[in-house]
Amino acid sequence: DAMVIQNPRYQVTQFGKPVTLSCSQTLNHNVMYWYQQKSSQAPKLLFHYYDKDFNNEADTPDNFQSRRPNTSFCFLDIRSPGLGDAAMYLCATSRDSPVQNIQYFGAGTRLSVL
Amino acid sequence: GESVGLHLPTLSVQEGDNSIINCAYSNSASDYFIWYKQESGKGPQFIIDIRSNMDKRQGQRVTVLLNKTVKHLSLQIAATQPGDSAVYFCAETPGGFKTIFGAGTRLFVKA
Repeated sequence: DAMVIQNPRYQVTQFGKPVTLSCSQTLNHNVMYWYQQKSSQAPKLLFHYYDKDFNNEADTPDNFQSRRPNTSFCFLDIRSPGLGDAAMYLCATSRDSPVQNIQYFGAGTRLSVL
Repeated sequence: GESVGLHLPTLSVQEGDNSIINCAYSNSASDYFIWYKQESGKGPQFIIDIRSNMDKRQGQRVTVLLNKTVKHLSLQIAATQPGDSAVYFCAETPGGFKTIFGAGTRLFVKA
């Protein structure tokens, strides 16, 4: 039973055409994360939400935005995708316990930019 | 800059042997560490964690060792099985909810 669900699994967009990736969770976790993972590399944190509080990483480009309308859903918006944005995008959740920050990941959305 | 890195990008072991995957971290403020396993086409999956007040923690077939003196983590997998083939990431939490992943080690298990 999937607990963190990402849609779609594969997304193809055109250079410069806005795209939205979605994530939903059934764990009722307070914290939701978005990571970018390029081929053969480690996941890189873009930002996270603690409830409705948005926390952006300092090196996340402005091209990446996020929305969290409620506890269960979180969206990643890429305003003007470039070729370098082609990657796997991973959503994760965790309880509000920074001392035991076990994250539960979705299967990811693989984004291609043409 | 802050980083968590792995010594070996790939590791090949015979089925039934023990595997040891190593990781070095650089953030002395980190007090919590996790190992994740990522299979092809899937997101990372939690394996085991350890807090900085511990040197060793054991799970089912897995053991994590932490050496704070040299900022080193290792993951030991006993009796490695084909299903253990994956990329393994160590991760540290230097504060709050931020998680920094290491570069990853790909484990190949030969039958």
